Amino acid sequence: SAVISQKPSRDICQRGTSLTIQCQVDSQVTMMFWYRQQPGQSLTLIATANQGSEATYESGFVIDKFPISRPNLTFSTLTVSNMSPEDSSIYLCSVDTEAFFGQGTRLTVV
Amino acid sequence: GQQVMQIPQYQHVQEGEDFTTYCNSSTTLSNIQWYKQRPGGHPVFLIQLVKSGEVKKQKRLTFQFGEAKKNSSLHITATQTTDVGTYFCAGRFRNAGKSTFGDGTTLTVKP
Repeated sequence: SAVISQKPSRDICQRGTSLTIQCQVDSQVTMMFWYRQQPGQSLTLIATANQGSEATYESGFVIDKFPISRPNLTFSTLTVSNMSPEDSSIYLCSVDTEAFFGQGTRLTVV
Repeated sequence: GQQVMQIPQYQHVQEGEDFTTYCNSSTTLSNIQWYKQRPGGHPVFLIQLVKSGEVKKQKRLTFQFGEAKKNSSLHITATQTTDVGTYFCAGRFRNAGKSTFGDGTTLTVKP
């Protein structure tokens, strides 16, 4: 099974600022997925990140708000831009078969 | 859009009672996965079902995939306090590269 390391594990940020979340996998994977889990809610897919191409965003999510990088087959970043309190959520990355998640980043925007 | 409906939203049981959560889709799924998320934790993969009518067991947990591959269930026999958490199903639709999560069933167990 893949081991996924995600950081930071949690952060408290001021509104209007941006936070970049990192996801590192211990093996090469084709696809990496970024999810958001709002308080008390299920997981919603933000985008799929493939190495060497632009990320594919789901309906309701845009690149300007959630820019993603995928520089190689073991690493990806998600940036939450111009944050507002509504962005307070857990952000999780996952890989290929989506069977494995990182531990998540618990973001609070004040 | 394609959705996976999960019921019930909440379930409160006495320790030792059984528990079941159900997921339903209006269209055929390629596979379905089940996850458990403890309070304050992240989703942990439990199992994946692929075949029509498939039944898998993990100790006190029994997972089923319907014959039409449109529904699935997770059954826990004789719940324990360690079973508390939210159980999510995630169904992958044909020709889709991603899975769609159900809303989850939150289980509480009274000792």
